[in-house]
Amino acid sequence: SQTIHQWPATLVQPVGSPLSLECTVEGTSNPNLYWYRQAAGRGLQLLFYSVGIGQISSEVPQNLSASRPQDRQFILSSKKLLLSDSGFYLCAWRGAEGLADEQYFGPGTRLTVT
Amino acid sequence: DAKTTQPPSMDCAEGRAANLPCNHSTISGNEYVYWYRQIHSQGPQYIIHGLKNNETNEMASLIITEDRKSSTLILPHATLRDTAVYYCIVAAGGTSYGKLTFGQGTILTVHP
Repeated sequence: SQTIHQWPATLVQPVGSPLSLECTVEGTSNPNLYWYRQAAGRGLQLLFYSVGIGQISSEVPQNLSASRPQDRQFILSSKKLLLSDSGFYLCAWRGAEGLADEQYFGPGTRLTVT
Repeated sequence: DAKTTQPPSMDCAEGRAANLPCNHSTISGNEYVYWYRQIHSQGPQYIIHGLKNNETNEMASLIITEDRKSSTLILPHATLRDTAVYYCIVAAGGTSYGKLTFGQGTILTVHP
């Protein structure tokens, strides 16, 4: 069966510090991968998605970047965090085949920028 | 992607059926209806999806009107663990690369 991991679970970082969040998927090959953010009391916002190694599409201009160095690894980064980067970051995957968009989400990382 | 409209909140008694409505009057012919839910402090969970026909799985049933402009998610016997935010999403199939747009959803509270 497929499993998705995210770490760390929680993170408190000062403004201006770098960020690296990691997501890995097990039990599937060539998945589509996604990064979402959920600000406090808000809905989920799609940040990045990837259909393959090294292929990253950005949905909104922001202070963040994403990379996919391996088939089942997705990394979210920032060189200098802003207060507005605080939120709940979620990684998700879906199978590359098929028409429907069943996405499966990880447990999330709760980031607080102070 | 088409927009959806959901009531902001609903209540349901434990053991009763929970019927969550969703309007999607501008849905296109190739767009599916998806339902996800998010329990507090967790990632969203896929529930069910459909295109034209009604669908049922171990979690829920999805009823789509014949004109496809609205749908209802049915949890047949709600439990306290079904308390969550339920999202109705309309999105095209595989060619959209899975770009789901989550709205505010419906907060379902199941009470004893």
